[in-house]
Amino acid sequence: RKEVEQDPGPFNVPEGATVAFNCTYSNSASQSFFWYRQDCRKEPKLLMSVYSSGNEDGRFTAQLNRASQYISLLIRDSKLSDSATYLCAVIQGNEKLTFGTGTRLTIIP
Amino acid sequence: DAGVIQSPRHEVTEMGQEVTLRCKPISGHNSLFWYRQTMMRGLELLIYFNNNVPIDDSGMPEDRFSAKMPNASFSTLKIQPSEPRDSAVYFCASSLHSNSPLHFGNGTRLTVT
Repeated sequence: RKEVEQDPGPFNVPEGATVAFNCTYSNSASQSFFWYRQDCRKEPKLLMSVYSSGNEDGRFTAQLNRASQYISLLIRDSKLSDSATYLCAVIQGNEKLTFGTGTRLTIIP
Repeated sequence: DAGVIQSPRHEVTEMGQEVTLRCKPISGHNSLFWYRQTMMRGLELLIYFNNNVPIDDSGMPEDRFSAKMPNASFSTLKIQPSEPRDSAVYFCASSLHSNSPLHFGNGTRLTVT
C-alpha cells in the first residue's frame, strides 16, 4: 500500500459546482497534513494546512479523519481558475513530507 | 521576499555527462528538501537536510546521485553519470522547521538524451 494515495482523476466539474477530494495515508502516527496546488509546468504551492478540527479558507474546506486515516478538500462554487492538480501531503512522524500523486481538476465553463 | 531559487531552469545533456543542480533556500529556513517529479511516479523525496546536515537520503535512487549543503544558503544535487531515465523535473524546497509547510523553487527540468 502506498504511503499516501489519491484518486488521480481527472475530475471534470462545471463552473459553480462543489467538488471534493479525499486522500488516504497509511501511517497512523502521521502528524501534519497539507493540501498543495500545482498548475501545469509550475511548482507546487501550499493551498492550506489541515488541522484536526477542520479548517476553512474562503471557498475551501479541509478536514482530517484520523480514525479512517484520510484528509479531504472541499471546493465550493468552483471557478475556472481552480483548474489545477491538487496534491495532498503528509508528514509521517519522521519529518519527511510525502506527497500523493495528485488529483487533476478541470472546471468546465 | 525572494523565494527558493533554483538553477538552471532547464538542462539538456547527453547520457554519461555530469549534471549539477543548484538551490538557494529562503533565508532563515532550517530545512531543505530535494524532490523529483515524473508523470509516472509523482513527487518523490530524494534527500533532505536539517541545519545543513543530511538527515535522510533513502530516496536517492543510486550512487550516481549525490547532494551537498555546504552552508545554510546553498545546496547542490549532482548526477554523475546521467542516464535518460533521470529525465524529470527536480524541485528544491525549504521550510522554516522540519514540520512546517514547504516552499518550492521553480524547478529544474532535466532532459538526458
